[in-house]
Amino acid sequence: DTEVTQTPKHLVMGMTNKKSLKCEQHMGHRAMYWYKQKAKKPPELMFVYSYEKLSINESVPSRFSPECPNSSLLNLHLHALQPEDSALYLCASSQEATGYNQPQHFGDGTRLSIL
Amino acid sequence: SQKIEQNSEALNIQEGKTATLTCNYTNYSPAYLQWYRQDPGRGPVFLLLIRENEKEKRKERLKVTFDTTLKQSLFHITASQPADSATYLCALDELGGGFKTIFGAGTRLFVKA
Repeated sequence: DTEVTQTPKHLVMGMTNKKSLKCEQHMGHRAMYWYKQKAKKPPELMFVYSYEKLSINESVPSRFSPECPNSSLLNLHLHALQPEDSALYLCASSQEATGYNQPQHFGDGTRLSIL
Repeated sequence: SQKIEQNSEALNIQEGKTATLTCNYTNYSPAYLQWYRQDPGRGPVFLLLIRENEKEKRKERLKVTFDTTLKQSLFHITASQPADSATYLCALDELGGGFKTIFGAGTRLFVKA
């Protein structure tokens, strides 16, 4: 079992739907991340939250909207997605977001399919 | 920007042998480098972190080296087992707008019994 919990595990949605991905950690970590991973490709960073504030947005389209309601929770709101957005969405957390000595703990992801 | 190359897409070895995976990077030397394991349908799991001033790090059957002159890290699994079969990702920090971690494409390791 991982210490970062993501729900749902699988999600199928149409291009006009609105849905949300959820991520939770109780390790007291102050940095949380969203990654997108396509098959046989490395995880690609989308967003970084540090102390509940958005610190990095990797030029992600506005149809992806992150939210950090508190230090343990991270959401990714989805709206009007495209078929190419189908991927595994991974959440991760680390003690701090400063980079040094900061291994990341990943959840098992949400497998998203856009019809 | 930083670029990472893991030079083998797949590596097949016999059980009991040592697996050696390579990670090369371009541009500046990172302050640290990490290795992760990823199984199909699962998120990456952190294995080892090595800092720029460390030449070698060990954890049980795992060993990582870091050569900042060659801009290369080697990841070794000794006495490999079929359970070691997975994709292994190299990751390092990229400076710019706050540290962020970038991942190599990974090497798929198959250990045959």
